[in-house]
Amino acid sequence: DAGVIQSPRHEVTEMGQEVTLRCKPISGHNSLFWYRQTMMRGLELLIYFNNNVPIDDSGMPEDRFSAKMPNASFSTLKIQPSEPRDSAVYFCASSQSYGYTFGSGTRLTVV
Amino acid sequence: DQQVKQNSPSLSVQEGRISILNCDYTNSMFDYFLWYKKYPAEGPTFLISISSIKDKNEDGRFTVFLNKSAKHLSLHIVPSQPGDSAVYFCAASAYGANNLFFGTGTRLTVIP
Repeated sequence: DAGVIQSPRHEVTEMGQEVTLRCKPISGHNSLFWYRQTMMRGLELLIYFNNNVPIDDSGMPEDRFSAKMPNASFSTLKIQPSEPRDSAVYFCASSQSYGYTFGSGTRLTVV
Repeated sequence: DQQVKQNSPSLSVQEGRISILNCDYTNSMFDYFLWYKKYPAEGPTFLISISSIKDKNEDGRFTVFLNKSAKHLSLHIVPSQPGDSAVYFCAASAYGANNLFFGTGTRLTVIP
């Protein structure tokens, strides 16, 4: 298995633009998580899905953030419009039980 | 509001010595604790875990200790090796939930 695959690895965008981050979880994992890593707060949970259904999105910072999981093998995290304070590394992880497998992350820079 | 706290952002240790990384939590509902290790430009990888019914779990050079009354856990690495240099995240979850709460991480540097 190739593990959790995230794309792109790096994204640089201008303030106000729409950004879409993508994630392919490990086949057979029924939970998918989006995290954001910052120096101040470490790894923050943004949203997670069980069996493609959003369970808890209380970590999504504001309405500019949205996430979808149209099927078991794909999820997106969208920021529209993006702002400089959204600059961070965004991780996707998938899980079957307690153990998470993380992707390599997307480093987002909003200028 | 951080429910899992790692108060030491960094730690430096000589090769061969013991590394002790600390973690505190506030939520008494947490019953499962994990440590993850992260190298630059990679995602965190699972290292070791402990259930609240135990106070110690050992895996090779890595041992995790849990003090439930103090809401404190620690990761011991003995002996420390240069390849252990990474950021270590403490994480916790509550019974019945499969989302993890992470700390802010501690950057460990093992000096050869």
